[in-house]
Amino acid sequence: RKEVEQDPGPFNVPEGATVAFNCTYSNSASQSFFWYRQDCRKEPKLLMSVYSSGNEDGRFTAQLNRASQYISLLIRDSKLSDSATYLCVVNFNDYKLSFGAGTTVTVRA
Amino acid sequence: DVKVTQSSRYLVKRTGEKVFLECVQDMDHENMFWYRQDPGLGLRLIYFSYDVKMKEKGDIPEGYSVSREKKERFSLILESASTNQTSMYLCASSLTGTGNPEQYFGPGTRLTVT
Repeated sequence: RKEVEQDPGPFNVPEGATVAFNCTYSNSASQSFFWYRQDCRKEPKLLMSVYSSGNEDGRFTAQLNRASQYISLLIRDSKLSDSATYLCVVNFNDYKLSFGAGTTVTVRA
Repeated sequence: DVKVTQSSRYLVKRTGEKVFLECVQDMDHENMFWYRQDPGLGLRLIYFSYDVKMKEKGDIPEGYSVSREKKERFSLILESASTNQTSMYLCASSLTGTGNPEQYFGPGTRLTVT
């Protein structure tokens, strides 16, 4: 079983729509959680950390459910520039991150 | 800004060749990582290093070795390249002991083995 599993999508949404997707993780000892964004042919970059209480960063909202071991990301008022692959990332020690395979989002005009 | 650079963006090698991929970071990070990224599989950790001359195997170390002689530089070596090592290779670095394991990535090297 993969440590981090994501729906690969693609999620095709019109501009202005809301899109949400989840990932699940298998290690209950996981300590911290993140969403990274990867544009086509580019390197991954940190989008936001995910806190137990849930957190927002502008149009992006992340939620963590430790009991069910899943993380979610919601994007409101989608922009064309939000088109990317979103990687769910889980950490359970000082160094190592476990990456999901990514969820592809395409926002169309 | 943290900068992680990799020696080549694209590389084409023949089966059996020895291949060196170089990675340099300029932020004095203790930890450095090598991943490969393949469609549908995501990023898989090959090796990582938490200090000079220290290395740890990741999830898929077979067919690879690494070298870290200086803090800023982490090299990935394919001793005898094979076609199943055709992939995108990403290097990353991070600080240790800060409670923030954010990794900063280089632009990647797309390696094709023919």
